[in-house]
Amino acid sequence: KAGVTQTPRYLIKTRGQQVTLSCSPISGHRSVSWYQQTPGQGLQFLFEYFSETQRNKGNFPGRFSGRQFSNSRSEMNVSTLELGDSALYLCASSLGLAIDSYNEQFFGPGTRLTVL
Amino acid sequence: AQTVTQSQPEMSVQEAETVTLSCTYDTSENNYYLFWYKQPPSRQMILVIRQEAYKQQNATENRFSVNFQKAAKSFSLKISDSQLGDTAMYFCAFMKHVRIQGAQKLVFGQGTRLTINP
Repeated sequence: KAGVTQTPRYLIKTRGQQVTLSCSPISGHRSVSWYQQTPGQGLQFLFEYFSETQRNKGNFPGRFSGRQFSNSRSEMNVSTLELGDSALYLCASSLGLAIDSYNEQFFGPGTRLTVL
Repeated sequence: AQTVTQSQPEMSVQEAETVTLSCTYDTSENNYYLFWYKQPPSRQMILVIRQEAYKQQNATENRFSVNFQKAAKSFSLKISDSQLGDTAMYFCAFMKHVRIQGAQKLVFGQGTRLTINP
């Protein structure tokens, strides 16, 4: 079974531009979560999508948005890029089931975004 | 809100030694899960071991084991017979139990950079 894939792996943008990152979950997984990883702030939760609906949202400004398609693939968009948006963006997929346990999250390799 | 603290930014040991990584967390929840993730230089985050808070028995996975102290809110990872391939960033993570579709999120610590020296 193929793992979580993220495209592109590397991106260089300039301040003020916008960017779209893509995440394809493991086949059969309906939940996709996004995390931002920076040296200063560590790993922070951005948002989670399940069946095309945002279920959970972290504490990020409205410039960060996302969506999920009917095939569970997800995109996140960052508008009006700032230098501080430079980070590794990780997505994780899971079954997203309502169960009396946890849904293991499987991570992709990440997209390294550099804002100049 | 939950917080996870890893007090050791970096650690370094010799191959074959045993190393323990520390993690403490703060929560008012009674039902939750704790994880250790490994992020090698290639950056793919991999689950190492998990612990359900309702289980008193410490989880073990081959050379990896945890010391889960619920009252102290402590969750340390012990790596026995360390190998060069264990070199990575290690993240402690917390997940609150939520029985809702697609509504589980991980709260991570700052990470510990572990280097295994030959």
